[in-house]
Amino acid sequence: GDSVTQMEGPVTLSEEAFLTINCTYTATGYPSLFWYVQYPGEGLQLLLKATKADDKGSNKGFEATYRKETTSFHLEKGSVQVSDSAVYFCALSGRGGANNLFFGTGTRLTVIP
Amino acid sequence: GAVVSQHPSWVICKSGTSVKIECRSLDFQATTMFWYRQFPKQSLMLMATSNEGSKATYEQGVEKDKFLINHASLTLSTLTVTSAHPEDSSFYICSATRTRGNNEQFFGPGTRLTVL
Repeated sequence: GDSVTQMEGPVTLSEEAFLTINCTYTATGYPSLFWYVQYPGEGLQLLLKATKADDKGSNKGFEATYRKETTSFHLEKGSVQVSDSAVYFCALSGRGGANNLFFGTGTRLTVIP
Repeated sequence: GAVVSQHPSWVICKSGTSVKIECRSLDFQATTMFWYRQFPKQSLMLMATSNEGSKATYEQGVEKDKFLINHASLTLSTLTVTSAHPEDSSFYICSATRTRGNNEQFFGPGTRLTVL
């Protein structure tokens, strides 16, 4: 079945460091891929998405490229800020479109000044 | 826009009692709402899909008689955990999609349930 494997955390970085959070997936067909972010005390928010192979999603300095050959959708940011501290979830939509979301376990990122 | 709230944010109850959790779309109409459950250090697992005015669709392995879902209006869905037991302790998260939208899910902040 469809599933997402996400890099375990927690991850602690200094401000302005480079961030990579790995995400790989297993799916039949051609899923859409998502990164969600959850700030303390808030609900999950869509950070970025990609709907087909080689698409690059980007938002707020974060990027992820849909790599079909490696079944990956790694999240990157060149220079993290303290305000990026949050939990990040990788997800895919299986058959049925966005109604069927499969999530990774989440990676907690803490950025220290 | 697209804010989803949940109430309560946390609840502690005794074993055998029932607990109701509300999910509201504050600034949009939501024909469809979803209920997820999250165990510590694990993924969000979809429990059920709730459509306004009709019966919820439950995922395999989720007991519909234990987790009662009501979606009586376009802005409110409720999840009632009946006869709660300690193994029902978890983080429950709802999401909603706009009635006129692209199926993007907007998530509530979650409800922490602890059953003693």
